[in-house]
Amino acid sequence: GESVGLHLPTLSVQEGDNSIINCAYSNSASDYFIWYKQESGKGPQFIIDIRSNMDKRQGQRVTVLLNKTVKHLSLQIAATQPGDSAVYFCAESTTGTASKLTFGTGTRLQVTL
Amino acid sequence: EPEVTQTPSHQVTQMGQEVILRCVPISNHLYFYWYRQILGQKVEFLVSFYNNEISEKSEIFDDQFSVERPDGSNFTLKIRSTKLEDSAMYFCASTLQGLLETQYFGPGTRLLVL
Repeated sequence: GESVGLHLPTLSVQEGDNSIINCAYSNSASDYFIWYKQESGKGPQFIIDIRSNMDKRQGQRVTVLLNKTVKHLSLQIAATQPGDSAVYFCAESTTGTASKLTFGTGTRLQVTL
Repeated sequence: EPEVTQTPSHQVTQMGQEVILRCVPISNHLYFYWYRQILGQKVEFLVSFYNNEISEKSEIFDDQFSVERPDGSNFTLKIRSTKLEDSAMYFCASTLQGLLETQYFGPGTRLLVL
Protein backbone atom coordinates (compact mmCIF):
# COMPACT_ATOMS: atom_id res chain seq x y z
CA GLY A 1 0.00 0.00 0.00
CA GLU A 2 2.73 2.43 -0.80
CA SER A 3 1.71 5.96 -1.18
CA VAL A 4 5.33 6.86 -1.63
CA GLY A 5 5.70 9.71 -3.97
CA LEU A 6 8.82 11.48 -5.06
CA HIS A 7 7.16 14.84 -4.60
CA LEU A 8 5.13 14.40 -1.42
CA PRO A 9 5.43 17.30 1.00
CA THR A 10 7.24 16.13 4.10
CA LEU A 11 6.86 17.20 7.68
CA SER A 12 9.70 16.31 10.02
CA VAL A 13 9.06 16.48 13.76
CA GLN A 14 10.88 15.33 16.84
CA GLU A 15 9.43 12.63 18.99
CA GLY A 16 7.24 14.17 21.64
CA ASP A 17 6.48 17.32 19.69
CA ASN A 18 3.08 18.13 18.27
CA SER A 19 2.46 17.75 14.53
CA ILE A 20 0.12 19.75 12.37
CA ILE A 21 -0.72 18.49 8.91
CA ASN A 22 -2.74 20.72 6.62
CA CYS A 23 -5.06 20.08 3.74
CA ALA A 24 -6.92 22.39 1.39
CA TYR A 25 -10.04 21.15 -0.32
CA SER A 26 -11.75 22.62 -3.32
CA ASN A 27 -15.36 21.49 -3.26
CA SER A 28 -17.45 23.85 -1.15
CA ALA A 29 -20.28 21.30 -1.26
CA SER A 30 -18.22 18.70 0.62
CA ASP A 31 -19.79 17.93 3.96
CA TYR A 32 -17.76 15.05 5.34
CA PHE A 33 -14.02 14.92 5.83
CA ILE A 34 -11.70 12.16 6.91
CA TRP A 35 -8.05 11.82 7.73
CA TYR A 36 -6.35 8.60 6.75
CA LYS A 37 -2.90 7.31 7.62
CA GLN A 38 -1.03 5.08 5.20
CA GLU A 39 1.98 3.09 6.27
CA SER A 40 4.23 1.35 3.83
CA GLY A 41 2.66 -1.84 2.53
CA LYS A 42 -0.79 -1.09 3.92
CA GLY A 43 -4.02 0.48 2.81
CA PRO A 44 -5.34 3.79 4.14
CA GLN A 45 -6.23 3.53 7.81
CA PHE A 46 -8.99 5.70 9.28
CA ILE A 47 -7.83 8.19 11.90
CA ILE A 48 -10.62 10.67 12.49
CA ASP A 49 -13.52 12.26 10.67
CA ILE A 50 -15.57 15.43 10.92
CA ARG A 51 -18.85 16.60 9.46
CA SER A 52 -19.36 20.04 8.08
CA ASN A 53 -21.63 21.10 10.94
CA MET A 54 -18.62 20.98 13.26
CA ASP A 55 -15.36 22.87 13.28
CA LYS A 56 -13.39 20.72 15.69
CA ARG A 57 -13.33 17.13 16.74
CA GLN A 58 -10.98 15.36 19.09
CA GLY A 59 -9.88 11.80 19.29
CA GLN A 60 -7.12 10.04 21.12
CA ARG A 61 -4.05 12.24 20.61
CA VAL A 62 -5.54 13.64 17.41
CA THR A 63 -7.65 16.68 16.67
CA VAL A 64 -9.20 17.69 13.37
CA LEU A 65 -10.04 21.30 12.65
CA LEU A 66 -12.30 22.38 9.82
CA ASN A 67 -12.46 25.89 8.46
CA LYS A 68 -15.17 25.98 5.84
CA THR A 69 -14.65 29.65 5.09
CA VAL A 70 -11.23 29.01 3.59
CA LYS A 71 -11.84 25.34 2.79
CA HIS A 72 -9.06 24.14 5.04
CA LEU A 73 -8.68 21.04 7.13
CA SER A 74 -5.92 20.25 9.60
CA LEU A 75 -4.85 17.26 11.64
CA GLN A 76 -3.06 17.81 14.89
CA ILE A 77 -1.18 14.94 16.49
CA ALA A 78 -0.14 15.45 20.09
CA ALA A 79 3.10 14.03 21.45
CA THR A 80 4.11 12.53 18.12
CA GLN A 81 5.59 9.06 18.33
CA PRO A 82 7.80 7.10 15.92
CA GLY A 83 4.80 4.92 15.09
CA ASP A 84 3.08 7.99 13.69
CA SER A 85 5.54 8.08 10.79
CA ALA A 86 3.46 7.54 7.67
CA VAL A 87 1.77 9.38 4.83
CA TYR A 88 -1.38 11.23 5.85
CA PHE A 89 -4.23 11.92 3.45
CA CYS A 90 -7.27 14.06 3.86
CA ALA A 91 -10.37 12.96 1.98
CA GLU A 92 -13.70 14.64 1.37
CA SER A 93 -17.14 13.43 0.48
CA THR A 94 -20.41 14.99 -0.49
CA THR A 95 -23.97 13.97 0.30
CA GLY A 96 -25.59 12.50 -2.76
CA THR A 97 -22.44 11.14 -4.33
CA ALA A 98 -22.68 7.61 -2.96
CA SER A 99 -20.02 8.69 -0.52
CA LYS A 100 -17.15 8.46 -2.96
CA LEU A 101 -14.05 9.89 -1.38
CA THR A 102 -11.87 12.48 -3.05
CA PHE A 103 -8.36 12.28 -1.67
CA GLY A 104 -5.77 14.96 -1.26
CA THR A 105 -2.16 14.55 -2.31
CA GLY A 106 -0.82 13.41 1.04
CA THR A 107 1.85 14.56 3.47
CA ARG A 108 4.67 12.39 4.69
CA LEU A 109 5.27 12.67 8.43
CA GLN A 110 8.75 11.74 9.60
CA VAL A 111 9.30 11.44 13.32
CA THR A 112 12.87 11.78 14.45
CA LEU A 113 14.21 10.52 17.74
CA GLU B 1 -11.32 -6.33 14.70
CA PRO B 2 -13.02 -7.01 11.37
CA GLU B 3 -11.06 -5.93 8.35
CA VAL B 4 -11.23 -5.78 4.59
CA THR B 5 -9.00 -8.33 2.89
CA GLN B 6 -7.71 -8.39 -0.67
CA THR B 7 -6.06 -10.99 -2.85
CA PRO B 8 -3.62 -11.27 -4.40
CA SER B 9 -1.25 -8.82 -2.76
CA HIS B 10 0.72 -8.57 -6.00
CA GLN B 11 -0.23 -9.37 -9.58
CA VAL B 12 1.99 -9.20 -12.63
CA THR B 13 0.33 -9.54 -16.01
CA GLN B 14 0.99 -8.99 -19.68
CA MET B 15 -0.66 -6.12 -21.50
CA GLY B 16 -3.95 -7.22 -23.00
CA GLN B 17 -4.57 -9.93 -20.42
CA GLU B 18 -7.56 -10.01 -18.12
CA VAL B 19 -7.10 -9.71 -14.38
CA ILE B 20 -9.51 -10.18 -11.51
CA LEU B 21 -8.79 -8.53 -8.21
CA ARG B 22 -10.61 -9.91 -5.23
CA CYS B 23 -11.85 -8.34 -2.04
CA VAL B 24 -13.70 -9.59 0.98
CA PRO B 25 -15.41 -6.60 2.60
CA ILE B 26 -16.32 -6.46 6.28
CA SER B 27 -19.11 -8.94 6.69
CA ASN B 28 -22.06 -6.73 7.62
CA HIS B 29 -21.15 -3.88 5.32
CA LEU B 30 -23.42 -2.98 2.45
CA TYR B 31 -21.49 -0.46 0.36
CA PHE B 32 -18.36 -1.39 -1.51
CA TYR B 33 -15.79 0.65 -3.36
CA TRP B 34 -12.72 0.32 -5.53
CA TYR B 35 -10.00 2.93 -5.61
CA ARG B 36 -6.63 2.98 -7.27
CA GLN B 37 -3.37 4.73 -6.58
CA ILE B 38 -0.78 5.12 -9.28
CA LEU B 39 2.69 5.36 -7.77
CA GLY B 40 3.33 8.87 -6.54
CA GLN B 41 -0.21 10.03 -7.13
CA LYS B 42 -3.41 10.48 -5.20
CA VAL B 43 -5.83 7.73 -4.32
CA GLU B 44 -8.56 7.92 -6.98
CA PHE B 45 -12.15 6.73 -6.82
CA LEU B 46 -13.14 4.12 -9.39
CA VAL B 47 -16.57 2.78 -8.50
CA SER B 48 -19.10 2.33 -5.73
CA PHE B 49 -21.47 -0.62 -5.47
CA TYR B 50 -24.62 -1.18 -3.48
CA ASN B 51 -27.47 -3.63 -3.65
CA ASN B 52 -25.81 -5.52 -6.49
CA GLU B 53 -25.44 -2.59 -8.77
CA ILE B 54 -23.06 0.23 -9.46
CA SER B 55 -24.01 3.42 -7.59
CA GLU B 56 -21.44 5.68 -9.14
CA LYS B 57 -18.35 5.39 -11.28
CA SER B 58 -15.59 7.72 -12.30
CA GLU B 59 -14.36 8.49 -15.80
CA ILE B 60 -11.48 6.09 -15.15
CA PHE B 61 -13.96 3.22 -14.88
CA ASP B 62 -14.48 2.63 -18.58
CA ASP B 63 -15.80 -0.41 -20.42
CA GLN B 64 -12.65 -2.37 -19.64
CA PHE B 65 -13.61 -2.44 -15.98
CA SER B 66 -16.38 -4.35 -14.30
CA VAL B 67 -17.33 -5.22 -10.75
CA GLU B 68 -19.24 -8.11 -9.35
CA ARG B 69 -20.39 -9.55 -6.08
CA PRO B 70 -20.48 -13.21 -7.09
CA ASP B 71 -21.47 -14.50 -3.67
CA GLY B 72 -22.23 -13.21 -0.21
CA SER B 73 -18.67 -12.38 0.67
CA ASN B 74 -16.51 -11.52 -2.34
CA PHE B 75 -16.38 -8.30 -4.31
CA THR B 76 -14.30 -8.38 -7.48
CA LEU B 77 -12.83 -5.91 -9.92
CA LYS B 78 -12.15 -7.21 -13.40
CA ILE B 79 -9.99 -5.46 -15.95
CA ARG B 80 -10.76 -7.06 -19.26
CA SER B 81 -7.74 -6.09 -21.32
CA THR B 82 -5.05 -4.51 -19.22
CA LYS B 83 -3.01 -1.56 -20.39
CA LEU B 84 0.35 -0.36 -19.14
CA GLU B 85 -1.32 2.60 -17.47
CA ASP B 86 -3.46 0.27 -15.36
CA SER B 87 -0.38 -0.45 -13.25
CA ALA B 88 -1.26 0.81 -9.78
CA MET B 89 -2.29 -0.19 -6.28
CA TYR B 90 -5.95 -1.11 -6.19
CA PHE B 91 -7.78 -0.69 -2.92
CA CYS B 92 -11.12 -2.09 -1.95
CA ALA B 93 -13.15 -0.36 0.75
CA SER B 94 -16.45 -0.98 2.46
CA THR B 95 -18.84 0.84 4.71
CA LEU B 96 -21.92 -0.13 6.63
CA GLN B 97 -24.48 2.39 5.51
CA GLY B 98 -22.68 4.32 2.84
CA LEU B 99 -23.62 7.89 3.32
CA LEU B 100 -21.14 10.09 5.15
CA GLU B 101 -19.60 7.17 6.92
CA THR B 102 -16.11 5.85 7.46
CA GLN B 103 -14.79 3.71 4.65
CA TYR B 104 -12.52 0.90 5.73
CA PHE B 105 -9.80 0.03 3.27
CA GLY B 106 -8.11 -3.23 2.47
CA PRO B 107 -4.32 -3.56 2.16
CA GLY B 108 -4.42 -3.28 -1.62
CA THR B 109 -3.33 -5.28 -4.63
CA ARG B 110 -0.31 -4.06 -6.51
CA LEU B 111 -0.91 -4.60 -10.21
CA LEU B 112 1.97 -4.42 -12.64
CA VAL B 113 1.20 -4.58 -16.34
CA LEU B 114 4.15 -5.39 -18.58
